Order: sequence, then C-alpha cells, then structure tokens
Amino acid sequence: EPEVTQTPSHQVTQMGQEVILRCVPISNHLYFYWYRQILGQKVEFLVSFYNNEISEKSEIFDDQFSVERPDGSNFTLKIRSTKLEDSAMYFCASSQQGVRLHFGNGTRLTVT
Amino acid sequence: KQEVTQIPAALSVPEGENLVLNCSFTDSAIYNLQWFRQDPGKGLTSLLLIQSSQREQTSGRLNASLDKSSGRSTLYIAASQPGDSATYLCALAETSGSRLTFGEGTQLTVNP
Repeated sequence: EPEVTQTPSHQVTQMGQEVILRCVPISNHLYFYWYRQILGQKVEFLVSFYNNEISEKSEIFDDQFSVERPDGSNFTLKIRSTKLEDSAMYFCASSQQGVRLHFGNGTRLTVT
Repeated sequence: KQEVTQIPAALSVPEGENLVLNCSFTDSAIYNLQWFRQDPGKGLTSLLLIQSSQREQTSGRLNASLDKSSGRSTLYIAASQPGDSATYLCALAETSGSRLTFGEGTQLTVNP
C-alpha cells in the first residue's frame, strides 16, 4: 500500500539554525499538510497546501515557517531560525480529495 | 473555536474485553470525524472515518458512532487484543480539505 515517507526520522539542530523537513506524499494525492505534536500535547495543525499554494495555515505558522513543493513529488517544511519551543514531532500528511488523510511516521526535531 | 476532548486519558483492560473510547466536541457543524491509532514513535493510522451525514462506521472489530446533536463520538473495540495497545485519537474536520482538530487521545493498554 502506498505510504507517505518522511526524512529524516530524527533531526537535531542548534537554536537559530535553519532546518528543512522533507516529505514524499502519496503520488496521486492533491492535498498536503504539516502537523506537529509537542511531547505530551495534542497533534496541532500547521498548514495545508493545495494547487501549489497554501490553502490554510494556523496561528503557529508564522513568518519563520514556509512550505514548498519544489519538484512535484517532494513537500518540504522549512523553519528559518529554530527556537527551543519548535522541538516536536512533525508529521506530513496527504490526501487525494481532502477527506481521508494519510500520515507519515514523522520527523522528531530536537532544538538545543 | 472547536474543542475536542477524549475520555478517559488512559485505559488498561484484560485481553478479550469489549471497550468504549469517548470523544466529545463543542461545535456540531462538522464535515467528518476520524479515529486514528498512534503507536509509540510512529505516525497516525486512520482507522475509521464518519461523514457528518452518517451515524456509524464499522471495520472488523472496530465500530465508530457519531451523534452530532450531542457532540459525541464513540469508538467501540470488540474482543480486545494486546496488539490493540496504542493511543487512539479522534479528529474533526469542519469542511472538506480543512484542518483536523485533534483530541488529546486515549492511551489503551490491553494486558495478555
């Protein structure tokens, strides 16, 4: 069964550094999402992407965050200048029709 | 603003028991409700999706119900097995393609 893949599985970075989290969505899907889960907290929505543009973003998704679909297969989340509070598990998801979401296994980001 | 609450936060049962997990939400204007399973260090696996016009969905030993008027959904697991041990999350979408709002999850342990 096709699946969403995320790399790396774990990323450690220093505060103030830029990080790029990568995702390969399921190939015929049209809707793409990033969510995050801080340890011990709820899964939170960050951003959705459809038709090559952001369709919705949360209040968390400020100017430090950006998303890109550079080549028709990858979907990336960039954090420009990481903060300690950005430490979380970041999940990519995709959906064919914007109804049932398929999630990747996540990237654990640790900011030191 | 939609709020999703799951009770109980944790549940431990002996193998073979039937059990019910609860999810409540504050705004009944939803598009669909999904139940997910999350294993430690892994992504989210979609178990059941109920559209707002539906009352329940079944898959194997799992049955999910939806009562929009009372703002509740339940996930029923029949004849529980140790392999069912995981965290179960419910999540709502308010429109097609829109963000999912998650509950905190119920951590289920099924003891052999």
